[in-house]
Amino acid sequence: EAGVTQFPSHSVIEKGQTVTLRCDPISGHDNLYWYRRVMGKEIKFLLHFVKESKQDESGMPNNRFLAERTGGTYSTLKVQPAELEDSGVYFCASSQQRQGPYNEQFFGPGTRLTVL
Amino acid sequence: GENVEQHPSTLSVQEGDSAVIKCTYSDSASNYFPWYKQELGKRPQLIIDIRSNVGEKKDQRIAVTLNKTAKHFSLHITETQPEDSAVYFCAASIREIKAAGNKLTFGGGTRVLVKP
Repeated sequence: EAGVTQFPSHSVIEKGQTVTLRCDPISGHDNLYWYRRVMGKEIKFLLHFVKESKQDESGMPNNRFLAERTGGTYSTLKVQPAELEDSGVYFCASSQQRQGPYNEQFFGPGTRLTVL
Repeated sequence: GENVEQHPSTLSVQEGDSAVIKCTYSDSASNYFPWYKQELGKRPQLIIDIRSNVGEKKDQRIAVTLNKTAKHFSLHITETQPEDSAVYFCAASIREIKAAGNKLTFGGGTRVLVKP
């Protein structure tokens, strides 16, 4: 079974430009999460999709970030315009949707974003 | 919201010795505590987790303990080996029976180096 995949693995852009990150969750996983790790600090939650619906977007830093998951399959995270402080590693994770307290989140390899 | 503190930030041990990483959390409603291991250049992977109705869980050389009253939990690695070298993240989450999924709040990470 293929794991969570993310594209690109690395992106270097200049301040003010736009970048779109993509995440393909494990097939059949309705839950999709975006997280970010900035400057070696903790991994911080950005938002959570259940299928195509945004369940929780409390972690999105500002309106320069736009996440979509049309059709409930892959997701994109667009940063427009990018700022220096957006640099970091963006992780995507997915999990099954099922009743009960346990559904492991499987992480992708991350996209390292560098804003110059 | 939930806040998770993790200590130490770096840990160097001799091969064969034990390693202990400690985390505290702030939200008494948190009831699920996973630990992730991220090897250099790879994705974070779940290595062990514990739920709030359990005080201790063990899986071969790793164990996790939870003290709900004090709101802290710890990861113990015994007989450390060079392949245990990685960054370890603790996390906390509120798992609800009827919820599709819930975000993870991570600690800042511990870089563990096992010296041969």
